[in-house]
Amino acid sequence: GAGVSQSPSNKVTEKGKDVELRCDPISGHTALYWYRQRLGQGLEFLIYFQGNSAPDKSGLPSDRFSAERTGESVSTLTIQRTQQEDSAVYLCASSQSLNTEAFFGQGTRLTVV
Amino acid sequence: GEDVEQSLFLSVREGDSSVINCTYTDSSSTYLYWYKQEPGAGLQLLTYIFSNMDMKQDQRLTVLLNKKDKHLSLRIADTQTGDSAIYFCAETGRGSTLGRLYFGRGTQLTVWP
Repeated sequence: GAGVSQSPSNKVTEKGKDVELRCDPISGHTALYWYRQRLGQGLEFLIYFQGNSAPDKSGLPSDRFSAERTGESVSTLTIQRTQQEDSAVYLCASSQSLNTEAFFGQGTRLTVV
Repeated sequence: GEDVEQSLFLSVREGDSSVINCTYTDSSSTYLYWYKQEPGAGLQLLTYIFSNMDMKQDQRLTVLLNKKDKHLSLRIADTQTGDSAIYFCAETGRGSTLGRLYFGRGTQLTVWP
């Protein structure tokens, strides 16, 4: 597609449920990133994928968070047993390679009630 | 660690210049970026500067980098109401954190007509 696409755009879930967030990167971009933006805060790095290399998962805040990417295509971020503190906007970005311009999607606003 | 600091709010009148300031901690960052976020939208890369440059100009935008003081600024000339948004400063990681961007909390720019 023309840009990075994320779905859903909004998600309201009950505490304790699992959620899956999806990111479609720009075609041909080998690097894909997930960030979290809490209300009034900057972006917090979660994870990135670069080609076939092992992903850098060091930003994931707990073992309830996981992410997968199939090849150089779609990525899903899964949050298990959601907590209220998980409420945030989850942003995905992709770039041609590491350290080149990253293009961001519009984000998924997650609200845990 | 990487700590990026920005003032949170800036208000200017239409037609005036805006200057948004940022300080960072990692003197080995390769690139420093300015992103713009409009309400309900993802992040848009405005401009970036390579760490061996002091200044970069791009139409109404001027980026100044003072490596000694680890200070980055974004000047917007002839600010318009359409420039109202949140502006994020970001620096790249190095080595094992190469794939990450470290963001400040963002500066809310309000432009009054």
